[in-house]
Amino acid sequence: KAGVTQTPRYLIKTRGQQVTLSCSPISGHRSVSWYQQTPGQGLQFLFEYFSETQRNKGNFPGRFSGRQFSNSRSEMNVSTLELGDSALYLCASSFGTGREKLFFGSGTQLSVL
Amino acid sequence: SQELEQSPQSLIVQEGKNLTINCTSSKTLYGLYWYKQKYGEGLIFLMMLQKGGEEKSHEKITAKLDEKKQQSSLHITASQPSHAGIYLCGADGYETSGSRLTFGEGTQLTVNP
Repeated sequence: KAGVTQTPRYLIKTRGQQVTLSCSPISGHRSVSWYQQTPGQGLQFLFEYFSETQRNKGNFPGRFSGRQFSNSRSEMNVSTLELGDSALYLCASSFGTGREKLFFGSGTQLSVL
Repeated sequence: SQELEQSPQSLIVQEGKNLTINCTSSKTLYGLYWYKQKYGEGLIFLMMLQKGGEEKSHEKITAKLDEKKQQSSLHITASQPSHAGIYLCGADGYETSGSRLTFGEGTQLTVNP
């Protein structure tokens, strides 16, 4: 069974640009959540999608957005990139039915110059 | 919002030694998760605890949940270099069970051969 796949693995952008990250969950999982990890703030919840609907949202500005497709694949978008957006972005998938373990991808390392 | 404090922040042990990592919550714990991370990579699920007094073991790793103290501990017996990495505790709230986890800052474990 394939794990959670995130693409691309590494990304370098400049300030002001926008970026789209992709996440393919484990087959059968309907929930995809996104996290941002930085040395200063640690691991922080961005948002969760379940059956193409945003179910939970963290405390991030509107520049951070996401969506989920009918096959449960998810994308997150960051517009007008800032230096502080440099981080490891992790997505996690689960069945989304309650308290259960999350399966994490390897992450996308975003560097904003 | 819920906050998790992990201690110690870093730990260096000699191979074969036992060690304990603690995770203390500012609020009641409903679901407590332990993950392991290699630097710059995704999180690997270790254990999930849901009930006060619950204890789970996997190979040489044991985790306990003390609901009254709002605390969980992770104990590694006879540590090996393969145990090295960052250990993260995560928790969800009663009303947000599932994908929205709050994580501690992590404990960096080094095991010297």
